[in-house]
Amino acid sequence: GGIITQTPKFLIGQEGQKLTLKCQQNFNHDTMYWYRQDSGKGLRLIYYSITENDLQKGDLSEGYDASREKKSSFSLTVTSAQKNEMAVFLCASSITGGDYEQYFGPGTRLTVL
Amino acid sequence: GDSVTQTEGPVTLSEGTSLTVNCSYETKQYPTLFWYVQYPGEGPQLLFKVPKANEKGSNRGFEATYNKEATSFHLQKASVQESDSAVYYCALSDNSNNRIFFGDGTQLVVKP
Repeated sequence: GGIITQTPKFLIGQEGQKLTLKCQQNFNHDTMYWYRQDSGKGLRLIYYSITENDLQKGDLSEGYDASREKKSSFSLTVTSAQKNEMAVFLCASSITGGDYEQYFGPGTRLTVL
Repeated sequence: GDSVTQTEGPVTLSEGTSLTVNCSYETKQYPTLFWYVQYPGEGPQLLFKVPKANEKGSNRGFEATYNKEATSFHLQKASVQESDSAVYYCALSDNSNNRIFFGDGTQLVVKP
């Protein structure tokens, strides 16, 4: 088995601030994902990466940057936090190929004051 | 584009009653269909997946049949328990671009 670790668990920022979320996986999966989860809404894909140094935009990439520094880690940056923004950011990984199971981390909860 | 529509929540049931969560999908491809479950404070986890039309998936008493003609994948359970309280996501992969499309989720609340 493996595990996905997301840091930090809770992130509080100020309006306009640049904020970085980190994700590590030890499944040895090639593909990693970042999703945003808002209350009452589904999972919206922000970015994904099928290998080291690869980046693919999802449906919600505006306002975010991502970085796949190595196979096991995938970072997401909120380029300018929006006031009153609250959401959970979920990281996932899988074997490459859309029909494989995605394994999710526990999430980072963002609050912007 | 690909999309998934499912029963809007919350769905509130008493323990021991039956559950149906409707799921319909749109895609031009031949998808793999999934049900994921998310418990409070955790990330979603796979309940089961079905890669082929007319086949059934099941796990922990939940089941769903991949109906290609009706483009549906409804989740059912004969007798829910309080521990089934969670958010359930229907999802599809069109197997062409390494991603899964999720529905908006259905929150299930089971009362003792």
